[in-house]
Amino acid sequence: KAGVTQTPRYLIKTRGQQVTLSCSPISGHRSVSWYQQTPGQGLQFLFEYFSETQRNKGNFPGRFSGRQFSNSRSEMNVSTLELGDSALYLCASSFEGAGNQPQHFGDGTRLSIL
Amino acid sequence: GEDVEQSLFLSVREGDSSVINCTYTDSSSTYLYWYKQEPGAGLQLLTYIFSNMDMKQDQRLTVLLNKKDKHLSLRIADTQTGDSAIYFCAEKDSSYKLIFGSGTRLLVRP
Repeated sequence: KAGVTQTPRYLIKTRGQQVTLSCSPISGHRSVSWYQQTPGQGLQFLFEYFSETQRNKGNFPGRFSGRQFSNSRSEMNVSTLELGDSALYLCASSFEGAGNQPQHFGDGTRLSIL
Repeated sequence: GEDVEQSLFLSVREGDSSVINCTYTDSSSTYLYWYKQEPGAGLQLLTYIFSNMDMKQDQRLTVLLNKKDKHLSLRIADTQTGDSAIYFCAEKDSSYKLIFGSGTRLLVRP
């Protein structure tokens, strides 16, 4: 069974640009969550999607948005990029997101802002 | 709010046992997780425990949970150099999101 796939693995952008990251969950998983990992702030929750609806949202500005498609694939978009957005963005999937269903992570997209 | 704390660094000799500790604050947490992160990679799920359990064993891994003290530990028996990585403790809150600790860097010396 294929794991969580994130594309691209690496991205370099400049301030002010926007970026879209993609995540394909494990087959059959319907919940997709996004996390940001930085050396200073650690792992922080961005948002979670289930059945094409955003079910939970973390404390990030509106520049960070996402969506989920009918096949459970998810995209995350960051607009008006800032230097502080440089981070590893991790996607995780689970069957339905419930507590006894662990989240499985992809290898992440490393975003660098110049 | 919810908070998860871990010590930052642990160094052990190959073949010894490693114990990584974690404390959490959300008493409503129902599941607690351990993840491993190697350089350049995402998070690998190691194991998880339900809050009504005291202990869970999975091959070389043993998880102990003291719910009264909100303390979780991960013991790795016969630690190998391949176990060198960052280990994250996480709790799942009522909204189903994971709250992570800052991670414990485990260094295994030959």
